[in-house]
Amino acid sequence: NAGVTQTPKFQVLKTGQSMTLQCAQDMNHNSMYWYRQDPGMGLRLIYYSASEGTTDKGEVPNGYNVSRLNKREFSLRLESAAPSQTSVYFCASTGTGAGTEAFFGQGTRLTVV
Amino acid sequence: QQQVKQSPQSLIVQKGGISIINCAYENTAFDYFPWYQQFPGKGPALLIAIRPDVSEKKEGRFTISFNKSAKQFSLHIMDSQPGDSATYFCAAILDSNYQLIWGAGTKLIIKP
Repeated sequence: NAGVTQTPKFQVLKTGQSMTLQCAQDMNHNSMYWYRQDPGMGLRLIYYSASEGTTDKGEVPNGYNVSRLNKREFSLRLESAAPSQTSVYFCASTGTGAGTEAFFGQGTRLTVV
Repeated sequence: QQQVKQSPQSLIVQKGGISIINCAYENTAFDYFPWYQQFPGKGPALLIAIRPDVSEKKEGRFTISFNKSAKQFSLHIMDSQPGDSATYFCAAILDSNYQLIWGAGTKLIIKP
């Protein structure tokens, strides 16, 4: 089972460049999430999608956009990258129901120079 | 009221010792409290979880202690091993919307 697959694993961007981080899950989960992880800051929610066709802002949405392409795929786009967006990005998915477990991808390490 | 406060930020424990990480919450509507373990270069993965109607849950060397009246819960790692060195996150979930509210994480180092 692949679980949650993120691409790419590493990326270096110049300030002002754009890119899209891809995420796909094969567990038939309704909810998908994008987090960023910075040293000492834990996991901060950027955007989430509770179901296909819906997206909502999280704690730190500025500078990002998302697309829930279908039930499997949830992409994160940086339109004009800034050095402050240097971080490790994680995609996650969860089912619904009591005690649902979050499954994470392996992360994308993004550096903006 | 949606926050989960986790401490300490970092922890160094000798091999064989007990590692203790604490979390506190305010929202009494939370009804599921998982702990996640994250190794370097990997995403977090579920370690152990508890519901508030239970005061303790044990899985191998890992135990969650839950104090509903104090709105606190903690992770205890008995006989800590170097392989337990990782970052640990506590979290809380509302069953009504399944949103995960995360603690800030604790970087645990077990010294041989």
